[in-house]
Amino acid sequence: GAVVSQHPSWVICKSGTSVKIECRSLDFQATTMFWYRQFPKQSLMLMATSNEGSKATYEQGVEKDKFLINHASLTLSTLTVTSAHPEDSSFYICSGDTGTQYFGPGTRLTVL
Amino acid sequence: LAKTTQPISMDSYEGQEVNITCSHNNIATNDYITWYQQFPSQGPRFIIQGYKTKVTNEVASLFIPADRKSSTLSLPRVSLSDTAVYYCLVGEVMDSSYKLIFGSGTRLLVRP
Repeated sequence: GAVVSQHPSWVICKSGTSVKIECRSLDFQATTMFWYRQFPKQSLMLMATSNEGSKATYEQGVEKDKFLINHASLTLSTLTVTSAHPEDSSFYICSGDTGTQYFGPGTRLTVL
Repeated sequence: LAKTTQPISMDSYEGQEVNITCSHNNIATNDYITWYQQFPSQGPRFIIQGYKTKVTNEVASLFIPADRKSSTLSLPRVSLSDTAVYYCLVGEVMDSSYKLIFGSGTRLLVRP
């Protein structure tokens, strides 16, 4: 199957700072990538659809000014959590779409 | 809302065959059915995808009846390492993109 990577795999930051998470498709080009968030013992929740060369589409209830998404190339999408707070601590997962979605390994964000 | 319904949890023993059934009564004509496996603190891993009848690969089989309102993932001879959460998904076309909305998944516990 297709391979998606994420960087970093985990990050700890102080409240009020911003954190950038990268999602790369390693062996395919992804016009569309998706960002999910997962809290402990819960299912994945779709946050936004990242479209190469255009603005991301956010799900209802997700603040677009807080979760900035950039999809500047066909192999890279980034999610920046701005002014992070402890409630933003979560597991963030991206996926790339080849007709089938392939998921990255996830990024554990802890905000102190 | 997720378009699928699965049992919350299942228990099995090593060496047994496990069948997880998923209901998707409102599946659309062009929807495929995809199953993922997720271990703690990892991204979901693609298992199998199908449209109708039966699909088999090296790890699982997927049975889809003619009306496509349900599907069954079959894992032959499970081992302890198959303990994970299994998600059944069908896509949704929203805002011109094909999205996967995760349900609660089935938590499979394989006992020795």
